[in-house]
Amino acid sequence: EAQVTQNPRYLITVTGKKLTVTCSQNMNHEYMSWYRQDPGLGLRQIYYSMNVEVTDKGDVPEGYKVSRKEKRNFPLILESPSPNQTSLYFCASTSLQGGSYGYTFGSGTRLTVV
Amino acid sequence: GQQLNQSPQSMFIQEGEDVSMNCTSSSIFNTWLWYKQDPGEGPVLLIALYKAGELTSNGRLTAQFGITRKDSFLNISASIPSDVGIYFCAGQKAAGNKLTFGGGTRVLVKP
Repeated sequence: EAQVTQNPRYLITVTGKKLTVTCSQNMNHEYMSWYRQDPGLGLRQIYYSMNVEVTDKGDVPEGYKVSRKEKRNFPLILESPSPNQTSLYFCASTSLQGGSYGYTFGSGTRLTVV
Repeated sequence: GQQLNQSPQSMFIQEGEDVSMNCTSSSIFNTWLWYKQDPGEGPVLLIALYKAGELTSNGRLTAQFGITRKDSFLNISASIPSDVGIYFCAGQKAAGNKLTFGGGTRVLVKP
């Protein structure tokens, strides 16, 4: 089944403790992206990647890092999480071939930083 | 970063009612998309619109791409309980480009 898989689904952590949220897709998509979802603000893009070793900032990149060492994986790294990063995070992917529109989303990771 | 203005923010539906929501932007998009998010899940694509003026249906859902390319609306006809969820509009300037999302419309059932 074609899908985007995120782990973990839920995470509670303390301020300053580094964490990584993993994202993997099995559709051979070139484009991958991370969004955060906050009430009333919709989904805002954190980082995106057009292909392996190619990443760029989205609208709200502060406090986050990403890497794209393999095509299928796009982990989101919080080096020193803070409470304002408490949010619902989504990974998404799409193909850059053949004019594909829209993304396939993962099921989300709910992060709480205390 | 740019956001789309989506309204209403929330609405209550009664089974059988028609409901509508819309999305406006200060800039032009070449594709408009409508997603639905169920509790505990990621957004799922409902309808994609590719041409200004286009009207597209998917079952009880109908969406239109505004002539100015700066707005879109979504209608749900004869609503049913499983229509509850959060509906997001999204604009995309070109294939493979980022999606810019509206703030969402939360659809709830009237008590």
